Amino acid sequence: QQQVKQSPQSLIVQKGGISIINCAYENTAFDYFPWYQQFPGKGPALLIAIRPDVSEKKEGRFTISFNKSAKQFSLHIMDSQPGDSATYFCAASRDYGGATNKLIFGTGTLLAVQP
Amino acid sequence: DTAVSQTPKYLVTQMGNDKSIKCEQNLGHDTMYWYKQDSKKFLKIMFSYNNKELIINETVPNRFSPKSPDKAHLNLHINSLELGDSAVYFCASSTQGGNQPQHFGDGTRLSIL
Repeated sequence: QQQVKQSPQSLIVQKGGISIINCAYENTAFDYFPWYQQFPGKGPALLIAIRPDVSEKKEGRFTISFNKSAKQFSLHIMDSQPGDSATYFCAASRDYGGATNKLIFGTGTLLAVQP
Repeated sequence: DTAVSQTPKYLVTQMGNDKSIKCEQNLGHDTMYWYKQDSKKFLKIMFSYNNKELIINETVPNRFSPKSPDKAHLNLHINSLELGDSAVYFCASSTQGGNQPQHFGDGTRLSIL
């Protein structure tokens, strides 16, 4: 059962355009929603994260929009650059009050920004 | 300085062999993880350790045995390798507690012939 659904699978955007990647989750107990960026041959790197008490978080050109009632969140990349070309993963987890958290990842979106 | 380092980066071996992947983090974190990324790039958690204690074991075959000699190291030993074990294995670490940012290594690409 895929608990975090991500779309689109791939995305082509022109330089300077806006890239939008969407995710939907099922478990209403999730309370942490990070986005990771992965370049070929590298590990995923945390890009930006949001908790459900806010509807939007912005860091530079990257913005997460969060809709708790719809159980959806999205990543917006403004002024997309060729250097943003990578695979993007959304994820979700729940704080059990324990020592670790279990990230559930989406299926990934391969973004290509054309010059 | 590499924060989370894995060795080897590539591992090519025959079916049925036993192999190990090593992971070390210099971030001072208490918690470490192993993830598997399959050919479709799907990432799934396998194990997590906190201060050398196993916390999460995601119904991974018992051919996979993680070992944490200290909180800065988490190794993964795999017995009787099968074709389906071919994947990229990522180690990650975080500070202790729920919903802490996880820092990933660059992965070990395991190919079974």
